[in-house]
Amino acid sequence: SYELTQPPSVSVSPGQTARITCSGDALPKKYAYWYQQKSGQAPVLVIYEDSKRPSGIPERFSGSSSGTMATLTISGAQVEDEADYYCYSTDSSGNVFGTGTKVTVL
Amino acid sequence: EVQLVQSGAEVKKPGESLKISCKGSGYSFTSYWIGWVRQMPGKGLEWMGIIYPGDSDTRYSPSFQGQVTISADKSISTAYLQWSSLKASDTAMYYCARTKAAAGHKFDYWGQGTLVTVSS
Repeated sequence: SYELTQPPSVSVSPGQTARITCSGDALPKKYAYWYQQKSGQAPVLVIYEDSKRPSGIPERFSGSSSGTMATLTISGAQVEDEADYYCYSTDSSGNVFGTGTKVTVL
Repeated sequence: EVQLVQSGAEVKKPGESLKISCKGSGYSFTSYWIGWVRQMPGKGLEWMGIIYPGDSDTRYSPSFQGQVTISADKSISTAYLQWSSLKASDTAMYYCARTKAAAGHKFDYWGQGTLVTVSS
């Protein structure tokens, strides 16, 4: 079955840049989506179709994709960005979420 | 305002059956797919399956095929996730979410989640 691999954790100081990667064989042909999940809450879409930002999502969130890797970048991370982040995509076998990355801002 | 409202928390015993719900409002329920996502305690998100309430077209993740049943009643704008015989390993938070396509499309609105606890 298809897998999307993320680093388990990323730490960043407030105001610095955090980058979260998502690796998958089908990413050259399929879009990546990114979800933020804060403790005890439902996931929230922060990036769709590799690099588009939904309304209401701060500009410090951006996305890119190249080859088999998609990247979520938080530029100028804030304490409130501390959360779990999941990439999401698809291939011929179905839809899948990435393994998840815990972002710590301290 | 688009909303997906899920049914409340459940506590069940192994072997019991269960059906949880997800009611959509504020949009055309039959024009979007509803997907179900599992999150086991302390773990990540898992895509379970998806249904198009307009014609009940349903797709399952291979990991969940045969383990759960997804259905919908478009007359009351509600999607369902059900189990015929629960196991302790079904203990998890379950989310429903709306999307425009069965595969490779954004889930733009999510329900609040339904916590299912299976314990003897």
